[in-house]
Amino acid sequence: DTAVSQTPKYLVTQMGNDKSIKCEQNLGHDTMYWYKQDSKKFLKIMFSYNNKELIINETVPNRFSPKSPDKAHLNLHINSLELGDSAVYFCASSRGPVGELFFGEGSRLTVL
Amino acid sequence: KQEVTQIPAALSVPEGENLVLNCSFTDSAIYNLQWFRQDPGKGLTSLLLIQSSQREQTSGRLNASLDKSSGRSTLYIAASQPGDSATYLCASSISNFGNEKLTFGTGTRLTIIP
Repeated sequence: DTAVSQTPKYLVTQMGNDKSIKCEQNLGHDTMYWYKQDSKKFLKIMFSYNNKELIINETVPNRFSPKSPDKAHLNLHINSLELGDSAVYFCASSRGPVGELFFGEGSRLTVL
Repeated sequence: KQEVTQIPAALSVPEGENLVLNCSFTDSAIYNLQWFRQDPGKGLTSLLLIQSSQREQTSGRLNASLDKSSGRSTLYIAASQPGDSATYLCASSISNFGNEKLTFGTGTRLTIIP
């Protein structure tokens, strides 16, 4: 049973489109995150969401918005996709904001 | 701003050898330091987490050490196996912040030669 699962695993879309990536964790964690890993494999946090408190990395464009329907889910919505948004997006969770991180397997987004 | 560096970017060693991976960070006021492995096309798997008050952590053939004063952490892998081939990343969070300020290194890609 996968601990952190995200869908879709692959997403290919055109510039200007709006897309969403879903994430679910069954670990009972109360903190979830979205990370972006670029082509150079550099991993950078985008958002963390803990008990309805959203912390945003200031470098993330406002075209990106996380939405958490409940504690087990944190979805990522991206509007007006750009070529530079092509990357692998990872969802993660932890027990509290300082606990060990558990990652999903990633969603590879390709913008054409 | 915390910066995390991992050198070398890639390392190949014969099977059975012991090896050390290095991680350095610029701000010694860390909350904890974490080591992960990433297999190709997969997410990150947590290996070891060292709290700032600890000097080392061990799990099986893995041992991670932390020296805050010098801004360094090492991951020691004993008796390496082909299954250890992966990219290893370290990450640190600054004191008074949690994972929302976790800074990752760019990783060391390890290849164990059978």
